[in-house]
Amino acid sequence: DVKVTQSSRYLVKRTGEKVFLECVQDMDHENMFWYRQDPGLGLRLIYFSYDVKMKEKGDIPEGYSVSREKKERFSLILESASTNQTSMYLCASNRAGERNNEQFFGPGTRLTVL
Amino acid sequence: AQSVTQLGSHVSVSEGALVLLRCNYSSSVPPYLFWYVQYPNQGLQLLLKYTTGATLVKGINGFEAEFKKSETSFHLTKPSAHMSDAAEYFCAVTKGRTYKYIFGTGTRLKVLA
Repeated sequence: DVKVTQSSRYLVKRTGEKVFLECVQDMDHENMFWYRQDPGLGLRLIYFSYDVKMKEKGDIPEGYSVSREKKERFSLILESASTNQTSMYLCASNRAGERNNEQFFGPGTRLTVL
Repeated sequence: AQSVTQLGSHVSVSEGALVLLRCNYSSSVPPYLFWYVQYPNQGLQLLLKYTTGATLVKGINGFEAEFKKSETSFHLTKPSAHMSDAAEYFCAVTKGRTYKYIFGTGTRLKVLA
């Protein structure tokens, strides 16, 4: 059974804290994605990684950074959390080679920044 | 530029009635189109996808969608709604010739007993 796991389902942090969200996939996928999901806005891409140590900015990268040191793990970092980063964060992965390859999603991390 | 529009953020149907969720897209290249479903407190799961070939695509749980190039639409249908279909549904299109998707804003489906 293919799996994308995220380190926390719920997280509460204070303004200004550094926050790490971890994502691990067991499918040997090349591509990994971090999305933010907000009501009425759908899913918006924060960052995309197509290989170890390789990354591309998505549509809303401001205030975020990422790290991919191993193929199976993709981390999202909030350097200094702010209240407007309160959201649901979804990680996904898929195989490279074809643009129509299904993205597999983790269960999400609901982050609240106080 | 690519974009996706989902008409209706909330749709209610009676159990046993037809489900119709609308999706229109724009794309500067031949698109790949997807429908995903999100059940409460879960991630997204692929329902179906259109790549090339047959324009009527069948997916899981009795859902299907028809790609209509002339109307730039990819509407999702199911002949008879079930209570378990209550969820949020997202339409997505590939962004140009990249691996990235552009998602619509989602439609929350409510099924009434």
